[in-house]
Amino acid sequence: GESVGLHLPTLSVQEGDNSIINCAYSNSASDYFIWYKQESGKGPQFIIDIRSNMDKRQGQRVTVLLNKTVKHLSLQIAATQPGDSAVYFCAETNTNAGKSTFGDGTTLTVKP
Amino acid sequence: EPEVTQTPSHQVTQMGQEVILRCVPISNHLYFYWYRQILGQKVEFLVSFYNNEISEKSEIFDDQFSVERPDGSNFTLKIRSTKLEDSAMYFCASTRLQGGLWNTEAFFGQGTRLTVV
Repeated sequence: GESVGLHLPTLSVQEGDNSIINCAYSNSASDYFIWYKQESGKGPQFIIDIRSNMDKRQGQRVTVLLNKTVKHLSLQIAATQPGDSAVYFCAETNTNAGKSTFGDGTTLTVKP
Repeated sequence: EPEVTQTPSHQVTQMGQEVILRCVPISNHLYFYWYRQILGQKVEFLVSFYNNEISEKSEIFDDQFSVERPDGSNFTLKIRSTKLEDSAMYFCASTRLQGGLWNTEAFFGQGTRLTVV
């Protein structure tokens, strides 16, 4: 079956440092991989996605890297800010199904 | 900025009772979803809905669950006879078409916390 998982449940960084959040997935057939941010008491918020035929995509202060050889996905946040403190989920999705399969989540804490 | 809205924010119900969770997706979106999140756990897919019918459902979405789009704006999730293990945060989400294709960016509501006692 398909599963998406994260390597570390918690990550603590200093404000201004770069953060790297990792994810391992198992379904090679997924078309897209997505990172979501979930702040306390809120629903997941889309951050960035990457198509399966790409290996890197950049957004505003975020970069997602996809390594299909080892089925690994990472989210890099540059100059981490206190507002980045949240739980981060990776998810995989398939354009045929439309659903997202979420991983377990990494809690990012940014220390001032 | 348009957003997905869910009501109520918190629902407490007795085991065996029926509950209806309500969602108003973003107006120009065409794909609708329900997910749930048990406290401290990951988000789990329940069901997707497109063109007035279920596109896909998970194993969690058994005969006790149903969805409906009763009018042009609301999207509801009904649990017919709630169980203790149905206690969770339920999220509604919607996505749009972009260039004629399904778009990956799902917009989630704030969720309804369902507590079954």
